[in-house]
Amino acid sequence: KAGVTQTPRYLIKTRGQQVTLSCSPISGHRSVSWYQQTPGQGLQFLFEYFSETQRNKGNFPGRFSGRQFSNSRSEMNVSTLELGDSALYLCASSPFSGVTDTQYFGPGTRLTVL
Amino acid sequence: QQQVKQSPQSLIVQKGGISIINCAYENTAFDYFPWYQQFPGKGPALLIAIRPDVSEKKEGRFTISFNKSAKQFSLHIMDSQPGDSATYFCAAAHRGGYGQNFVFGPGTRLSVLP
Repeated sequence: KAGVTQTPRYLIKTRGQQVTLSCSPISGHRSVSWYQQTPGQGLQFLFEYFSETQRNKGNFPGRFSGRQFSNSRSEMNVSTLELGDSALYLCASSPFSGVTDTQYFGPGTRLTVL
Repeated sequence: QQQVKQSPQSLIVQKGGISIINCAYENTAFDYFPWYQQFPGKGPALLIAIRPDVSEKKEGRFTISFNKSAKQFSLHIMDSQPGDSATYFCAAAHRGGYGQNFVFGPGTRLSVLP
């Protein structure tokens, strides 16, 4: 079974631009969660989508948004990029919504904002 | 109340030794405590998890000890191997809660010397 895939793996943007990241979950998984990982703040939960609906949301500004498609693929969008948005963005998929043992992470997208 | 503290920040252990990483939480609503292992260039992977109705859980060389009254839990890696060299994250979550699901510790970089 293929794992969680994220595209692109690396991205360089400039301040003020917007960016869209993509996550394809494991086949059959309906939940996709997004996390931001930085050296200073560690791993922080952004939001979770399950069956195309946002189920949970972390403490991030409205510049961070996401969506999920009927095939469970998810996209995350960050508008008006700031230097502090430079991070590894991870998505994780699961068959179930919420807290579960069956959450599998992708390799991440490394975003650098210049 | 949502913080999870983790120590040490880094750890160097000789091959065959015991690695111990400690975490502490504040929110008594947390009822699921996983440990994740992350290798460079990869997303975190669930290593072992515990629920507060047990004080210890062992899987192979990995053991979680849980102290509910002290709100602390720790990971013990017995017979540490160079292949265990990675960053370890503890986390806490409230399985019935809404909003932010997992709260992660800042991570411990483990190096096991051959």
